[in-house]
Amino acid sequence: IAGITQAPTSQILAAGRRMTLRCTQDMRHNAMYWYRQDLGLGLRLIHYSNTAGTTGKGEVPDGYSVSRANTDDFPLTLASAVPSQTSVYFCASSDGGAGANVLTFGAGSRLTVL
Amino acid sequence: AQSVAQPEDQVNVAEGNPLTVKCTYSVSGNPYLFWYVQYPNRGLQFLLKYITGDNLVKGSYGFEAEFNKSQTSFHLKKPSALVSDSALYFCAVRDERYYGGSQGNLIFGKGTKLSVKP
Repeated sequence: IAGITQAPTSQILAAGRRMTLRCTQDMRHNAMYWYRQDLGLGLRLIHYSNTAGTTGKGEVPDGYSVSRANTDDFPLTLASAVPSQTSVYFCASSDGGAGANVLTFGAGSRLTVL
Repeated sequence: AQSVAQPEDQVNVAEGNPLTVKCTYSVSGNPYLFWYVQYPNRGLQFLLKYITGDNLVKGSYGFEAEFNKSQTSFHLKKPSALVSDSALYFCAVRDERYYGGSQGNLIFGKGTKLSVKP
């Protein structure tokens, strides 16, 4: 089934540790995104990538980094996790092009930083 | 500044009754508006979008939304609610800061929990 695969589904992490959330899509979409979802705040954009080889900062990029080595993969790295990064993280993709695009979301990765 | 507001944290509806989930927006240009739905422990799923044209937009699962430019609103509606419609609903607007680059960067509202009782 075409879509987005995120891993891990859930993770408990000690503060200060490094963590990479994986995201893979099989739809050959050009654009990919990382959002975090927090209760009462909705979803906020962390980083995005318009196409392989390019990335950009979203609304809340501090403490996170991304890479886009190829079309399918868009990992999100927390270099040194802090408790405020406890959240549910969603990877999404869209097919780019002119006009408004529809995002396809993964099932999410629930991260708890202690 | 751009923003999306969903004034109700929760909406309760009896099955079979019409439902409305409210959304207002603030943008400087023409709005590109979206509704997404999130079921428990799942990612968001696209319901419908408004770019231009008819103010009444029809989407998935019998949902529709009415764009009202004068009231800067984009309320989600359904004539007859189902228990299976119970979920978290998000209104979103395309982020104009990224126009011309990334087309899919969206600003989301905080979400409205819809509860449909039998």
